[in-house]
Amino acid sequence: QSALTQPASVSGSPGQSITISCTGTSSDVGSYNLVSWYQQHPGKAPKLMIYEVSKRPSGVSNRFSGSKSGNTASLTISGLQAEDEADYYCCSYAGSSTYVVFGGGTKLTVL
Amino acid sequence: QVQLQESGPGLVKPSQTLSLTCTVSGGSISSGSYYWSWIRQPAGKGLEWIGRIYTSGSTNYNPSLKSRVTISVDTSKNQFSLKLSSVTAADTAVYYCARDPGLLSGDWYFDLWGRGTLVTVSS
Repeated sequence: QSALTQPASVSGSPGQSITISCTGTSSDVGSYNLVSWYQQHPGKAPKLMIYEVSKRPSGVSNRFSGSKSGNTASLTISGLQAEDEADYYCCSYAGSSTYVVFGGGTKLTVL
Repeated sequence: QVQLQESGPGLVKPSQTLSLTCTVSGGSISSGSYYWSWIRQPAGKGLEWIGRIYTSGSTNYNPSLKSRVTISVDTSKNQFSLKLSSVTAADTAVYYCARDPGLLSGDWYFDLWGRGTLVTVSS
């Protein structure tokens, strides 16, 4: 059982927007603005999409955005494209004892 | 362009020690303000952070694995390594090495990953 809770799957049609939630606790997501999101295509390594809740690394499309409210972080993908179909994982700092925890992952299907 | 590459045995017997190395190419492991981490992923499951090291030798480990994990660094070879002792089938996973740029900022994220290597624990 993962420390952060994500929906197992979400889906959307090309051009639509979807949001993936990542629910933690006051010990991780709720206490630190250190949430990151990763995209993973089958058989590939994860790729950083968002860090520090809402910052995008260079080269990542501005269709990807992140936010946080209380103990829940969210990843929004706008203007869905076929290549966005992948697994998405959230990650949060959880203090100096636990360090970092991941969500269980969400499979995004582009219909 | 910096790249990471994992290497090591793909098959380890139960109760033995899993040993993997991550080679950093295209740049020095000692340059910049980076931690170097190991992360694993059992087939069909999520990611689990194992631990990290700075080139000074300073380490942090996942508390759930701490008693079995050792991460070390060899700056002369531009490599860092993972040892996981007393392995069981539950340790079967794809193991990734990754870079964490959070040394100065205190941030925690992984901006560069290796391609991963599958390690199977079986007799």
